Amino acid sequence: GNSVTQMEGPVTLSEEAFLTINCTYTATGYPSLFWYVQYPGEGLQLLLKATKADDKGSNKGFEATYRKETTSFHLEKGSVQVSDSAVYFCALSSMDSSYKLIFGSGTRLLVRP
Amino acid sequence: DTGVSQDPRHKITKRGQNVTFRCDPISEHNRLYWYRQTLGQGPEFLTYFQNEAQLEKSRLLSDRFSAERPKGSFSTLEIQRTEQGDSAMYLCASSLGGDNSPLHFGNGTRLTVT
Repeated sequence: GNSVTQMEGPVTLSEEAFLTINCTYTATGYPSLFWYVQYPGEGLQLLLKATKADDKGSNKGFEATYRKETTSFHLEKGSVQVSDSAVYFCALSSMDSSYKLIFGSGTRLLVRP
Repeated sequence: DTGVSQDPRHKITKRGQNVTFRCDPISEHNRLYWYRQTLGQGPEFLTYFQNEAQLEKSRLLSDRFSAERPKGSFSTLEIQRTEQGDSAMYLCASSLGGDNSPLHFGNGTRLTVT
């Protein structure tokens, strides 16, 4: 079945450091890929998405590129801020799973001043 | 757009009791999803509705769980004879439907079964 694997956290960085959170997926067909973020005490929010190979999703300085050849969708940000501290979830949806979201286990990011 | 709202935010109940949660989706969204999230894990799919029709249920949804969306608007999730293993955050999400339509999540209902 379809699945998503994320790097385990927590990831601890200093402010202005470069961020990478790895995400790989297993899916039949051509899934859409998403990153969601969950700030403390809040619900999941869509951060960015990509719907086909080589698409780049971007939002709030975060980027991720849909790499079909490596089945990856790694999240990157050039300079993190304390306010980026949250849990980040990679997810996919595809027609053969009725377009419901399948999530990875999440990666906690902690940014220190 | 007032977002997806869930009620209550927190529920503490004793084992064996029944509980019911409510979800109000974004008004024009015809798809509604229920997920469960335990500590340190990603959300796990439970069930979803297209308008009032329940189209899919996960194996995780035992016969003690039932969900309804009677008029294609709000939805309820009931858990009968709760067990300690039911303790989790229950998330509701809605979308316009279609392959690229993003899900919008509520803040969840945290259930604690003592």
